[in-house]
Amino acid sequence: DSGVTQTPKHLITATGQRVTLRCSPRSGDLSVYWYQQSLDQGLQFLIQYYNGEERAKGNILERFSAQQFPDLHSELNLSSLELGDSALYFCASSGTSGRSYEQYFGPGTRLTVT
Amino acid sequence: ILNVEQSPQSLHVQEGDSTNFTCSFPSSNFYALHWYRWETAKSPEALFVMTLNGDEKKKGRISATLNTKEGYSYLYIKGSQPEDSATYLCASAVNNDMRFGAGTRLTVKP
Repeated sequence: DSGVTQTPKHLITATGQRVTLRCSPRSGDLSVYWYQQSLDQGLQFLIQYYNGEERAKGNILERFSAQQFPDLHSELNLSSLELGDSALYFCASSGTSGRSYEQYFGPGTRLTVT
Repeated sequence: ILNVEQSPQSLHVQEGDSTNFTCSFPSSNFYALHWYRWETAKSPEALFVMTLNGDEKKKGRISATLNTKEGYSYLYIKGSQPEDSATYLCASAVNNDMRFGAGTRLTVKP
């Protein structure tokens, strides 16, 4: 158990809908990273937040957004969902903002768009 | 965009064999190299993070080396055990991005 929690574990929704994925980092960790793992593309970095502020942006679509709240939990919002958004979404946390420190991954949320 | 490449894609070894695999990454704008162990139906588990050219790290029977000038890292497993069976992922932190390889799938037969 990494100490990172993600809810829900599974989510099934229809195209065009909007969903919110939630992540709670390890106690004391200030950085949260979001990743998408789809069958054809492997693990892709989406976005990083550090202590409430956006720190780095990867391959995140404009339809997706994230935020980190004062209690350090983070939410990833996915809107106007398409079939291709079906994937496993991981969040990871680390103690600092730098990417030269170990990241601890949560169990993931499996999103299925029908 | 230059990719992170891992080889081989998969590897089957016998228990007790030592093995190694490679991660190649763009050497420009290098920041850090991460290795993860990823078991089926679980989430990636951090093994090592390396930043300096010539870095070597070790955790039990697993070790890794880093060459930032030529853009490669090796992961070694000494005396493989069935519980080492997993996908080993590397990721290069560069600029504001984390780029992952496709992984090497290791199967250790008893």
